[in-house]
Amino acid sequence: DAGVIQSPRHEVTEMGQEVTLRCKPISGHDYLFWYRQTMMRGLELLIYFNNNVPIDDSGMPEDRFSAKMPNASFSTLKIQPSEPRDSAVYFCASSFSIETQYFGPGTRLLVL
Amino acid sequence: AQTVTQSQPEMSVQEAETVTLSCTYDTSENNYYLFWYKQPPSRQMILVIRQEAYKQQNATENRFSVNFQKAAKSFSLKISDSQLGDTAMYFCAFMKRRNNDMRFGAGTRLTVKP
Repeated sequence: DAGVIQSPRHEVTEMGQEVTLRCKPISGHDYLFWYRQTMMRGLELLIYFNNNVPIDDSGMPEDRFSAKMPNASFSTLKIQPSEPRDSAVYFCASSFSIETQYFGPGTRLLVL
Repeated sequence: AQTVTQSQPEMSVQEAETVTLSCTYDTSENNYYLFWYKQPPSRQMILVIRQEAYKQQNATENRFSVNFQKAAKSFSLKISDSQLGDTAMYFCAFMKRRNNDMRFGAGTRLTVKP
């Protein structure tokens, strides 16, 4: 079975540009999560969806970040405008019900 | 708020030996999950083992086992017969059963030496 798929795997952009990260959860999973990992703050939950509906976005750092899940098989995390402090590894994860979360390979973002 | 503490930033072990990674957590919840995830240099987060708090029996998964002490809020990971491929960051995580809010510890970097 395919795991969680994320694209791109690496992204380098300049400050001020819009960045869009994409995620395809495991088929049949009804929860989707976006995490950010940095050296300073470790792994942080940004937002999660249940059945395509955002449930908790309290971890989203500021209005520059937005996330959508238009259908059960696709989600995006957008940063506009991007800043150097947004450089991190962004993970998408999915789960069936309130159960074990399975992570994608991550997107390494570098904002210059 | 739930907190997860991994007190060992780095550890090393000789190949084929046994090593134990420590994790403590703080919560007022009674029903929850605990996890150990492995993050090798590829940065992929890989589930190692899971424990449900209502189960008294410690979880095992091949060479990996846990020592779950609910009253002490302790959840250590034992790796037996360590292999070079076990070299990675190991994260302990806590999740309430009533929602999906998962909290991670800061991680322990494990190096397996030949």
